[in-house]
Amino acid sequence: NAGVTQTPKFQVLKTGQSMTLQCAQDMNHNSMYWYRQDPGMGLRLIYYSASEGTTDKGEVPNGYNVSRLNKREFSLRLESAAPSQTSVYFCASTSGQGNSPLHFGNGTRLTVT
Amino acid sequence: AQSVAQPEDQVNVAEGNPLTVKCTYSVSGNPYLFWYVQYPNRGLQFLLKYITGDNLVKGSYGFEAEFNKSQTSFHLKKPSALVSDSALYFCAVRGLGGGYQKVTFGIGTKLQVIP
Repeated sequence: NAGVTQTPKFQVLKTGQSMTLQCAQDMNHNSMYWYRQDPGMGLRLIYYSASEGTTDKGEVPNGYNVSRLNKREFSLRLESAAPSQTSVYFCASTSGQGNSPLHFGNGTRLTVT
Repeated sequence: AQSVAQPEDQVNVAEGNPLTVKCTYSVSGNPYLFWYVQYPNRGLQFLLKYITGDNLVKGSYGFEAEFNKSQTSFHLKKPSALVSDSALYFCAVRGLGGGYQKVTFGIGTKLQVIP
């Protein structure tokens, strides 16, 4: 039982390049989330998907797009990477019930030069 | 809008001493409150949660948290700290009602347990 799996673990991009961060969960969870973690700023929500077929913006959605491909997978795309997007990105999932905790992947460390 | 404040960037405590990591929150209505721990180069791991009922919540690894509605606080505690407890701790709130799907995190508190 892998939980939440993120790929890749590390990535270096040049400004203007694009890439997709992949996330998959095997816990049959309804809700999935993308966060970024920056020093001194904690975790900030980029996008979330309450259920398959729906996505909503979080606090910092600019420069990102998401796709909820199916119940298992939720991808995050950077169309034109900028140095300000250098961060650690975490995917998380939960059953969707209000009292259920989030389950996190181990993160993708992205550097944009 | 919901928010979480963790007023201390870092907490230092001697091994064997009790520890407290502070958290206050702001949310409409009754909240769901959570504590998570993050070890280096890993994702966050769930420690404990408050839903309703007893104000003292017990969780993993001997941690507990005290909910205080009047002070809108949810402080994390442990009676006797271990060196292995050294990590980054996050408090989080999940509001009920229309915004319940959004989970808001504090900025984190680094706990350093000194041998």
